Amino acid sequence: AQRVTQPEKLLSVFKGAPVELKCNYSYSGSPELFWYVQYSRQRLQLLLRHISRESIKGFTADLNKGETSFHLKKPFAQEEDSAMYYCALSGTGNQFYFGTGTSLTVIP
Amino acid sequence: NAGVMQNPRHLVRRRGQEARLRCSPMKGHSHVYWYRQLPEEGLKFMVYLQKENIIDESGMPKERFSAEFPKEGPSILRIQQVVRGDSAAYFCASSPLASGAPTDTQYFGPGTRLTVL
Repeated sequence: AQRVTQPEKLLSVFKGAPVELKCNYSYSGSPELFWYVQYSRQRLQLLLRHISRESIKGFTADLNKGETSFHLKKPFAQEEDSAMYYCALSGTGNQFYFGTGTSLTVIP
Repeated sequence: NAGVMQNPRHLVRRRGQEARLRCSPMKGHSHVYWYRQLPEEGLKFMVYLQKENIIDESGMPKERFSAEFPKEGPSILRIQQVVRGDSAAYFCASSPLASGAPTDTQYFGPGTRLTVL
Protein backbone atom coordinates (compact mmCIF):
# COMPACT_ATOMS: atom_id res chain seq x y z
CA ALA A 1 0.00 0.00 0.00
CA GLN A 2 1.13 3.54 -0.65
CA ARG A 3 2.34 5.36 2.41
CA VAL A 4 4.40 8.39 3.32
CA THR A 5 6.10 8.51 6.69
CA GLN A 6 7.55 11.56 8.37
CA PRO A 7 8.98 10.24 11.61
CA GLU A 8 9.54 13.61 13.26
CA LYS A 9 6.49 15.54 14.33
CA LEU A 10 8.57 18.39 15.73
CA LEU A 11 12.07 19.51 14.83
CA SER A 12 14.03 22.40 16.29
CA VAL A 13 17.37 23.67 15.03
CA PHE A 14 19.43 26.78 15.66
CA LYS A 15 19.76 29.44 13.01
CA GLY A 16 22.69 28.66 10.75
CA ALA A 17 22.68 24.96 11.57
CA PRO A 18 21.98 22.30 8.95
CA VAL A 19 18.50 20.88 8.85
CA GLU A 20 17.16 17.61 7.51
CA LEU A 21 13.50 16.67 7.47
CA LYS A 22 13.02 12.98 6.94
CA CYS A 23 10.56 11.35 4.60
CA ASN A 24 10.22 7.69 3.74
CA TYR A 25 7.71 6.23 1.38
CA SER A 26 6.19 2.94 0.39
CA TYR A 27 5.14 2.52 -3.20
CA SER A 28 5.41 -0.34 -5.64
CA GLY A 29 5.86 1.65 -8.84
CA SER A 30 7.74 4.79 -9.80
CA PRO A 31 6.42 7.55 -7.58
CA GLU A 32 6.63 11.26 -7.89
CA LEU A 33 7.68 12.91 -4.65
CA PHE A 34 6.98 16.42 -3.45
CA TRP A 35 7.62 18.65 -0.49
CA TYR A 36 4.89 21.09 0.47
CA VAL A 37 5.27 23.85 3.05
CA GLN A 38 2.78 25.80 5.12
CA TYR A 39 4.01 29.00 6.70
CA SER A 40 2.11 30.53 9.58
CA ARG A 41 -1.27 31.90 8.44
CA GLN A 42 -0.62 30.93 4.83
CA ARG A 43 -1.98 28.20 2.64
CA LEU A 44 -0.13 25.03 1.80
CA GLN A 45 2.16 25.50 -1.18
CA LEU A 46 4.56 23.45 -3.22
CA LEU A 47 8.19 23.77 -2.16
CA LEU A 48 9.83 21.39 -4.58
CA ARG A 49 9.33 18.22 -6.55
CA HIS A 50 11.91 15.56 -7.21
CA ILE A 51 11.60 15.52 -10.99
CA SER A 52 12.63 19.16 -11.16
CA ARG A 53 15.89 18.54 -9.34
CA GLU A 54 15.89 22.15 -8.23
CA SER A 55 16.86 24.05 -5.11
CA ILE A 56 14.17 26.27 -3.68
CA LYS A 57 14.96 28.71 -0.86
CA GLY A 58 18.16 26.76 -0.32
CA PHE A 59 16.33 23.46 0.17
CA THR A 60 17.13 20.33 -1.81
CA ALA A 61 15.74 16.83 -1.74
CA ASP A 62 17.11 13.74 -3.39
CA LEU A 63 15.05 10.72 -4.19
CA ASN A 64 16.80 7.59 -2.94
CA LYS A 65 14.97 4.63 -4.39
CA GLY A 66 17.15 2.12 -2.57
CA GLU A 67 16.24 3.56 0.80
CA THR A 68 12.79 4.74 -0.39
CA SER A 69 13.53 8.15 1.06
CA PHE A 70 13.11 11.75 0.00
CA HIS A 71 14.68 13.75 2.80
CA LEU A 72 14.59 17.55 2.66
CA LYS A 73 17.84 19.31 3.45
CA LYS A 74 19.20 22.79 3.90
CA PRO A 75 22.79 23.52 4.94
CA PHE A 76 22.06 26.69 6.92
CA ALA A 77 18.61 27.14 8.46
CA GLN A 78 17.05 30.59 8.61
CA GLU A 79 14.34 31.87 10.95
CA GLU A 80 11.94 32.27 8.03
CA ASP A 81 12.17 28.54 7.40
CA SER A 82 10.05 27.89 10.46
CA ALA A 83 6.93 26.23 9.10
CA MET A 84 5.05 22.98 8.70
CA TYR A 85 6.53 20.70 6.05
CA TYR A 86 4.68 17.90 4.33
CA CYS A 87 6.16 15.19 2.17
CA ALA A 88 3.79 13.90 -0.51
CA LEU A 89 3.72 11.10 -3.03
CA SER A 90 1.79 10.83 -6.23
CA GLY A 91 1.21 7.48 -7.81
CA THR A 92 -1.20 5.72 -10.10
CA GLY A 93 -4.59 7.28 -10.47
CA ASN A 94 -3.13 10.67 -9.68
CA GLN A 95 -3.95 10.32 -6.02
CA PHE A 96 -1.75 12.14 -3.58
CA TYR A 97 -0.59 10.76 -0.26
CA PHE A 98 0.68 13.15 2.37
CA GLY A 99 2.77 12.48 5.41
CA THR A 100 1.66 13.70 8.81
CA GLY A 101 3.99 16.68 8.59
CA THR A 102 6.99 17.98 10.49
CA SER A 103 6.83 21.28 12.31
CA LEU A 104 10.20 22.98 11.95
CA THR A 105 11.25 25.69 14.38
CA VAL A 106 14.44 27.62 13.74
CA ILE A 107 15.73 29.11 16.96
CA PRO A 108 17.38 32.54 16.62
CA ASN B 1 -5.84 34.34 -11.12
CA ALA B 2 -7.38 34.42 -7.68
CA GLY B 3 -6.20 30.97 -6.73
CA VAL B 4 -8.24 28.22 -5.17
CA MET B 5 -11.14 29.64 -3.21
CA GLN B 6 -12.88 27.94 -0.35
CA ASN B 7 -15.92 29.11 1.53
CA PRO B 8 -16.85 29.51 4.16
CA ARG B 9 -13.52 29.87 5.92
CA HIS B 10 -15.11 29.00 9.24
CA LEU B 11 -18.26 26.98 9.76
CA VAL B 12 -19.97 26.15 13.01
CA ARG B 13 -22.63 23.49 13.16
CA ARG B 14 -24.51 21.70 15.90
CA ARG B 15 -24.56 17.94 16.05
CA GLY B 16 -27.01 16.50 13.56
CA GLN B 17 -26.91 19.45 11.17
CA GLU B 18 -25.52 19.42 7.65
CA ALA B 19 -22.29 21.06 6.57
CA ARG B 20 -21.62 22.17 3.01
CA LEU B 21 -18.11 23.17 2.07
CA ARG B 22 -17.41 24.81 -1.27
CA CYS B 23 -14.29 24.85 -3.39
CA SER B 24 -13.74 26.88 -6.53
CA PRO B 25 -10.65 25.63 -8.35
CA MET B 26 -8.20 27.86 -10.12
CA LYS B 27 -9.28 29.01 -13.55
CA GLY B 28 -8.57 26.32 -16.11
CA HIS B 29 -8.26 23.55 -13.53
CA SER B 30 -10.59 20.62 -13.92
CA HIS B 31 -9.34 18.39 -11.13
CA VAL B 32 -10.19 18.82 -7.48
CA TYR B 33 -8.94 17.03 -4.39
CA TRP B 34 -10.38 17.22 -0.87
CA TYR B 35 -8.31 16.59 2.25
CA ARG B 36 -9.13 16.56 5.94
CA GLN B 37 -6.77 17.62 8.69
CA LEU B 38 -7.79 16.57 12.15
CA PRO B 39 -6.27 18.40 15.12
CA GLU B 40 -2.66 17.38 15.68
CA GLU B 41 -2.66 15.25 12.54
CA GLY B 42 -1.50 15.55 8.94
CA LEU B 43 -3.48 15.86 5.75
CA LYS B 44 -5.57 12.87 4.81
CA PHE B 45 -6.84 12.35 1.31
CA MET B 46 -10.59 12.10 1.01
CA VAL B 47 -11.67 12.30 -2.61
CA TYR B 48 -10.46 13.17 -6.10
CA LEU B 49 -12.91 14.53 -8.63
CA GLN B 50 -13.00 15.71 -12.18
CA LYS B 51 -15.90 17.62 -13.65
CA GLU B 52 -19.02 15.49 -13.15
CA ASN B 53 -16.94 12.47 -12.13
CA ILE B 54 -15.68 10.99 -8.91
CA ILE B 55 -12.34 9.43 -9.76
CA ASP B 56 -11.28 8.14 -6.36
CA GLU B 57 -13.24 8.35 -3.13
CA SER B 58 -11.27 5.77 -1.20
CA GLY B 59 -10.54 8.24 1.58
CA MET B 60 -14.13 9.22 2.19
CA PRO B 61 -15.97 7.85 5.21
CA LYS B 62 -18.60 5.40 4.02
CA GLU B 63 -21.50 7.23 5.59
CA ARG B 64 -22.65 10.85 5.82
CA PHE B 65 -19.95 12.22 3.50
CA SER B 66 -20.40 12.98 -0.19
CA ALA B 67 -18.70 15.12 -2.78
CA GLU B 68 -19.54 16.47 -6.18
CA PHE B 69 -17.98 18.63 -8.85
CA PRO B 70 -20.70 19.69 -11.27
CA LYS B 71 -20.19 20.91 -14.78
CA GLU B 72 -20.90 24.43 -13.60
CA GLY B 73 -20.10 25.83 -10.20
CA PRO B 74 -17.84 24.87 -7.34
CA SER B 75 -17.04 21.48 -5.93
CA ILE B 76 -19.10 20.68 -2.84
CA LEU B 77 -18.14 18.50 0.10
CA ARG B 78 -21.27 17.64 2.03
CA ILE B 79 -21.35 16.19 5.53
CA GLN B 80 -24.74 15.10 6.78
CA GLN B 81 -25.68 14.75 10.45
CA VAL B 82 -22.36 16.09 11.66
CA VAL B 83 -20.76 14.75 14.83
CA ARG B 84 -18.08 16.28 17.04
CA GLY B 85 -15.46 14.06 15.43
CA ASP B 86 -16.03 15.84 12.11
CA SER B 87 -14.46 18.99 13.55
CA ALA B 88 -11.40 19.56 11.41
CA ALA B 89 -9.86 21.70 8.72
CA TYR B 90 -10.95 20.69 5.25
CA PHE B 91 -8.66 21.61 2.41
CA CYS B 92 -9.33 21.65 -1.28
CA ALA B 93 -6.66 21.55 -3.96
CA SER B 94 -6.93 21.84 -7.71
CA SER B 95 -4.74 20.72 -10.54
CA PRO B 96 -4.70 21.40 -14.26
CA LEU B 97 -3.84 17.78 -14.87
CA ALA B 98 -5.23 16.43 -18.09
CA SER B 99 -6.19 12.82 -18.35
CA GLY B 100 -3.15 10.74 -19.14
CA ALA B 101 -0.70 13.56 -18.49
CA PRO B 102 2.03 13.32 -15.89
CA THR B 103 1.20 14.29 -12.34
CA ASP B 104 1.02 18.00 -11.89
CA THR B 105 1.28 20.36 -8.96
CA GLN B 106 -1.63 20.82 -6.60
CA TYR B 107 -2.68 24.29 -5.63
CA PHE B 108 -4.32 24.53 -2.24
CA GLY B 109 -7.11 26.64 -0.93
CA PRO B 110 -7.01 28.31 2.49
CA GLY B 111 -9.21 25.64 4.02
CA THR B 112 -12.52 25.58 5.85
CA ARG B 113 -12.42 25.08 9.59
CA LEU B 114 -15.47 23.15 10.68
CA THR B 115 -16.45 23.19 14.33
CA VAL B 116 -19.21 20.92 15.53
CA LEU B 117 -20.75 21.94 18.83
